[in-house]
Amino acid sequence: QQQVKQSPQSLIVQKGGISIINCAYENTAFDYFPWYQQFPGKGPALLIAIRPDVSEKKEGRFTISFNKSAKQFSLHIMDSQPGDSATYFCAASSRFSGNTGKLIFGQGTTLQVKP
Amino acid sequence: ETGVTQSPTHLIKTRGQQVTLRCSSQSGHNTVSWYQQALGQGPQFIFQYYREEENGRGNFPPRFSGLQFPNYSSELNVNALELDDSALYLCASRASSGANVLTFGAGSRLTVL
Repeated sequence: QQQVKQSPQSLIVQKGGISIINCAYENTAFDYFPWYQQFPGKGPALLIAIRPDVSEKKEGRFTISFNKSAKQFSLHIMDSQPGDSATYFCAASSRFSGNTGKLIFGQGTTLQVKP
Repeated sequence: ETGVTQSPTHLIKTRGQQVTLRCSSQSGHNTVSWYQQALGQGPQFIFQYYREEENGRGNFPPRFSGLQFPNYSSELNVNALELDDSALYLCASRASSGANVLTFGAGSRLTVL
């Protein structure tokens, strides 16, 4: 019940295209859903996050779509650029786990944007 | 704002040895978490420290232990190293307000031979 399942494992997109990464969760206590971007040799960096009281959040070219009833959320990268090539992780956490900074991460998606 | 810094960046140990990894939290952050990231996997929560006490732990055995110091820097200690301990160890800090926003360091890459 603690798992977050992420797909696809890898993704190749042409420059200017839309990249879509999907995640599903089981634990209905989760109330915070961030996406992290990780470049080789670097730690994950927060990209965008959403709480379940909204169905969509947009920041620049990045959009999270959230479907509470289906327990799914997805990251859309519009106008994908070669600089977006990285590994993307979805994650989830629950404030009811107290003050823990415990994020449950998906397995990751390696995105390659071809010029 | 200095971000989260970790040391060493890379190290090699042999099975059965002990290792200490260090982390300096971002300025103003008094809560630190440690994560293990195996190759090709997502990070897995090891534990968290707040006010120098452990206040949350993932599914890791007791040979994984930690410390947090008054200046909010932190250590991760792993005893009796096993081959499966080979991974990137990430430190993440956050403010104590309960916000979930974690700032990660670049990690320490541990190889156990």
